[in-house]
Amino acid sequence: DVKVTQSSRYLVKRTGEKVFLECVQDMDHENMFWYRQDPGLGLRLIYFSYDVKMKEKGDIPEGYSVSREKKERFSLILESASTNQTSMYLCASSMRQGSNQPQHFGDGTRLSIL
Amino acid sequence: AQTVTQSQPEMSVQEAETVTLSCTYDTSESNYYLFWYKQPPSRQMILVIRQEAYKQQNATENRFSVNFQKAAKSFSLKISDSQLGDTAMYFCAFGPGTYKYIFGTGTRLKVLA
Repeated sequence: DVKVTQSSRYLVKRTGEKVFLECVQDMDHENMFWYRQDPGLGLRLIYFSYDVKMKEKGDIPEGYSVSREKKERFSLILESASTNQTSMYLCASSMRQGSNQPQHFGDGTRLSIL
Repeated sequence: AQTVTQSQPEMSVQEAETVTLSCTYDTSESNYYLFWYKQPPSRQMILVIRQEAYKQQNATENRFSVNFQKAAKSFSLKISDSQLGDTAMYFCAFGPGTYKYIFGTGTRLKVLA
């Protein structure tokens, strides 16, 4: 089975801090994604990556950056955390062939910015 | 713009009964994929069922089936013989042939004992 592991289930940080959310997948998937999940808004794509060192902006990239130095690892970075970034963050991965492939999700990180 | 709409924020169903969750989408693409995902409380989101738009036959996975109406751009999920373990948030997702998905806002389903 595909395993997508997010480094923290719960995280509390302060306004202005630089925050790193880590995601690792063990199935050699080319595509990796970071989503934000908020009640009533569903899942919104922040960034995705289709290869090492490649990244594309999703629908809500402002205030975030990403890093993919190795195929199995995709990091989300909040450069200067703000209270409106308090949310559930989900990482996902899929095979290269595109959106016909199902995405496999991690358990999520519930991030609170105080 | 491509959109996915789930018009039922919350639903409930008695154990062993059947429930249908609705999903509509908007696209000008002719070939695409549709998915239903399940997110149990505090647990990982998992794929329930997948439908390819060029296939006329509705997908079925055990107690889960879809009613795919391409002309109407409708993709509903039917859960038969509902079980307590079906309690979850359900998301409809549309894959337009690129890497990205577009998700609906979700339907929270509660199965009552």
